[in-house]
Amino acid sequence: EVQLVESGGGLVQPGGSLRLSCAASGFTVSSNYMSWVRQAPGKGLEWVSILYSGGTTYYADSVRGRFTISRDNSKNTLYLQMNNLRAEDTAVYFCARDQSYSSAWHFWGQGTLVTVSS
Amino acid sequence: DIQMTQSPSTLSASVGDRVTITCRASQSISTWLAWYQQKPGKAPKLLMYKASSLENGVPSKFSGSGSGTQFTLTINSLQPDDFATYYCQQYNSYPYTFGQGTKLEIK
Repeated sequence: EVQLVESGGGLVQPGGSLRLSCAASGFTVSSNYMSWVRQAPGKGLEWVSILYSGGTTYYADSVRGRFTISRDNSKNTLYLQMNNLRAEDTAVYFCARDQSYSSAWHFWGQGTLVTVSS
Repeated sequence: DIQMTQSPSTLSASVGDRVTITCRASQSISTWLAWYQQKPGKAPKLLMYKASSLENGVPSKFSGSGSGTQFTLTINSLQPDDFATYYCQQYNSYPYTFGQGTKLEIK
């Protein structure tokens, strides 16, 4: 069974850093396209970043240069390193996975809340 | 960036009704469109991918159609569990973008 479990969220001051983790089970992270999607409180969904199986990465303009997506194959875990955090980064962050026949997000974690506030 | 516009933003309906949600893309996305259902405090759940393909395990009361810039999600015979927020999302090109959401409420 595919499972995605995010962790690492919390309260951080503006300008601070945080690293989110997404522990995967039931499949191999390095064999799939893995994404981060966020949702600000009471707002809609926003794509953040994607990591291809081959290592290519893409970012939303709002986070490029501040966030870095990566994975640890030995831990079968996806990461999102978030630096220079801003109040507008406050959101629930979800990791999501595609399917071999579709680039839509077929599997989602439960999300982890990041709050950027002084 | 491709803008995705959903209508309506809020939809009031009764149990047993059939409803349709529309999603328009600001440029052609072929059929690279997904529909998600989200309930409060939960992760989104994929309903449809490639505009009209039903995700495994999703009941056939849900259907999707469209191509290019115009898409629809139809839900037949609404049940209490269907009242949620629905999002369309394009995955034709980066940045992937979502519609603003349609909240389906019980009338």
